[in-house]
Amino acid sequence: EDKVVQSPLSLVVHEGDTVTLNCSYEVTNFRSLLWYKQEKKAPTFLFMLTSSGIEKKSGRLSSILDKKELFSILNITATQTGDSAVYLCAGVAGRGAQKLVFGQGTRLTINP
Amino acid sequence: NAGVTQTPKFQVLKTGQSMTLQCAQDMNHEYMSWYRQDPGMGLRLIHYSVGAGITDQGEVPNGYNVSRSTTEDFPLRLLSAAPSQTSVYFCASSYSMSRGPTGSPLHFGNGTRLTVT
Repeated sequence: EDKVVQSPLSLVVHEGDTVTLNCSYEVTNFRSLLWYKQEKKAPTFLFMLTSSGIEKKSGRLSSILDKKELFSILNITATQTGDSAVYLCAGVAGRGAQKLVFGQGTRLTINP
Repeated sequence: NAGVTQTPKFQVLKTGQSMTLQCAQDMNHEYMSWYRQDPGMGLRLIHYSVGAGITDQGEVPNGYNVSRSTTEDFPLRLLSAAPSQTSVYFCASSYSMSRGPTGSPLHFGNGTRLTVT
């Protein structure tokens, strides 16, 4: 059975701190791993990772994939209150049809 | 750009009632899917479609039906609502795997919050 597990489930930090969110996966015919940010409504796309060891970066956010150890991390540096959200990772599984398997999400709260 | 549009935003049903959640996208995406989101459970795949006329079951399909008569629309039907179907439902779409070997990111609608009493 395909499975994606995120940790921690919840994290509270102060503004300016750096955080690391974890995502481990067991996905059949793995194709890629996606990170999303969910505030009040729809998840919004952050990163797609397909190759091991290549860091994707967008401003203060960065992410990397380890296909040997089957995990990914999402780093946020110099956190701001606007980074407060649920962060979801998902593994893309299968051949032919795209099937995403989501983790439970990490709820990140940034206190001023 | 409308993207993925879901209606209604909120719905309250009594047990046993039926209803259809609507989803439309204007990005010419081949792939469309429905997820439900429950506290502590993440997003779970209900049904998906890789093109008009083709649908398949996801992780939690029981109690739900779908059809895909056009590329743009992918309605989700609850035939006889149950309290266990109280959830937030998201429709999402993307280009199909035929556009590339590694998948393409899903675009989500804003969700429908459904309560079944």
